[in-house]
Amino acid sequence: QVQLQESGPGLVKPSETLSLTCTVSGDSITSYYWNWIRQPPGKGLEWIGYIYYTGSTNCNPSLKSRVTISVDTSKNQFSLKLSSVTAADTAVYYCARGVADSFGSWFDPWGQGTLVAVSS
Amino acid sequence: QSVLTQPPSASGTPGQRVAISCSGSSSNIGSNAVNWYQHLPGTAPKLLIYGNNQRPSGVPDRFSGSKSGTSASLAISGLQSEDEADYYCAAWDDSLNGYVFGTGTKVTVL
Repeated sequence: QVQLQESGPGLVKPSETLSLTCTVSGDSITSYYWNWIRQPPGKGLEWIGYIYYTGSTNCNPSLKSRVTISVDTSKNQFSLKLSSVTAADTAVYYCARGVADSFGSWFDPWGQGTLVAVSS
Repeated sequence: QSVLTQPPSASGTPGQRVAISCSGSSSNIGSNAVNWYQHLPGTAPKLLIYGNNQRPSGVPDRFSGSKSGTSASLAISGLQSEDEADYYCAAWDDSLNGYVFGTGTKVTVL
């Protein structure tokens, strides 16, 4: 059974860099593609970006200039860095496995999520 | 900044049928498959429907999805109290070259 677990600081200061890691268990990270998604308090879901195990990435155009997604196949982990954060980046951050086939592409499963607050 | 529009709320009594709409455009729903996610606050979102109308293993057949043109719909038949949650549609958007979610619909079981 595939499981994903987010980890990282729960509080980040404005203008600094948010850093999170997602640890994958029960599946090899050298399959599928791996995503970051967030949900600000009281708002809907927003896709941040994905990475393949090869290191190839694709990010939401609205965040692209501030987002770095990387992968560590030796640890079966992938990571998110979001620079120059503001209060608007306060959200629950989820990692999720991306699956793609003839039926399209979707996210399954998701991690439990981790709340990151941006505040001084 | 959601590009897929859903009604903010829907409700029904136990046993009733509830339908949630999702409106998009030619670059997302019109060109790509739609997925639906169920989200209970404080938990991991769960895949409910993929490929417009495919149910993953373990999802009850009370949940069904459909798509027509640039709109999609999720139907819940035989509504149960445990169905009370937020529901999101989602699809790839060719113009944005990214994945987009709907605005979300809160389902209440009366």
